[in-house]
Amino acid sequence: GGIITQTPKFLIGQEGQKLTLKCQQNFNHDTMYWYRQDSGKGLRLIYYSITENDLQKGDLSEGYDASREKKSSFSLTVTSAQKNEMAVFLCASSIGTGGNERLFFGHGTKLSVL
Amino acid sequence: GDSVTQKQGQVTLSEDDFLFINCTYSTTTYPTLFWYVQYPGQGPQLLLKVTTANNKGISRGFEATYDKGTTSFHLQKASVQESDSAVYFCALEGSGYNKLTFGKGTVLLVSP
Repeated sequence: GGIITQTPKFLIGQEGQKLTLKCQQNFNHDTMYWYRQDSGKGLRLIYYSITENDLQKGDLSEGYDASREKKSSFSLTVTSAQKNEMAVFLCASSIGTGGNERLFFGHGTKLSVL
Repeated sequence: GDSVTQKQGQVTLSEDDFLFINCTYSTTTYPTLFWYVQYPGQGPQLLLKVTTANNKGISRGFEATYDKGTTSFHLQKASVQESDSAVYFCALEGSGYNKLTFGKGTVLLVSP
């Protein structure tokens, strides 16, 4: 088995601040994802990466940057935090590059912006 | 693009009640349909996967079915337990390569 580790678990930021979320996986999976979860809105894809140094925009990429410098890690940057923003950011990985592959999720990073 | 509609925001049941959650979808290709479950404090985990080939999936007492005619897919369980309390998401892999489109989620609350 494997595990996806997201750090930090909780992140409190100030309006306009640049914030970075990190994700590590030891499945040796090719594809990694960042999703945003808002209450009542489900999961929305921000970025994904099919291999090291690859980046693909999802439906919600505006306001975010991502980086995949190693196969095992995928980081997400909120370029300018929005006041009163509150969401959970979920990192996931899958063994292959097809959308019908099973996703394995981390426990999430909960973001609050003051 | 692909879309998934999951209208039931919350379902409240008692133990041993029957569970039925419904999603409808829209896509231009043959879909693969998923149910993910998220327990408190955790990330979602795969519960069931249904393809156009098998039309049905069963796991942990849950059954997922798919109806191409009505472009809908359902999750059901004959007798829920308090431990089934969680958020259930339907998801679609359709024309968006490498992408799942998720429904908004259904919060299931089961009282003993």
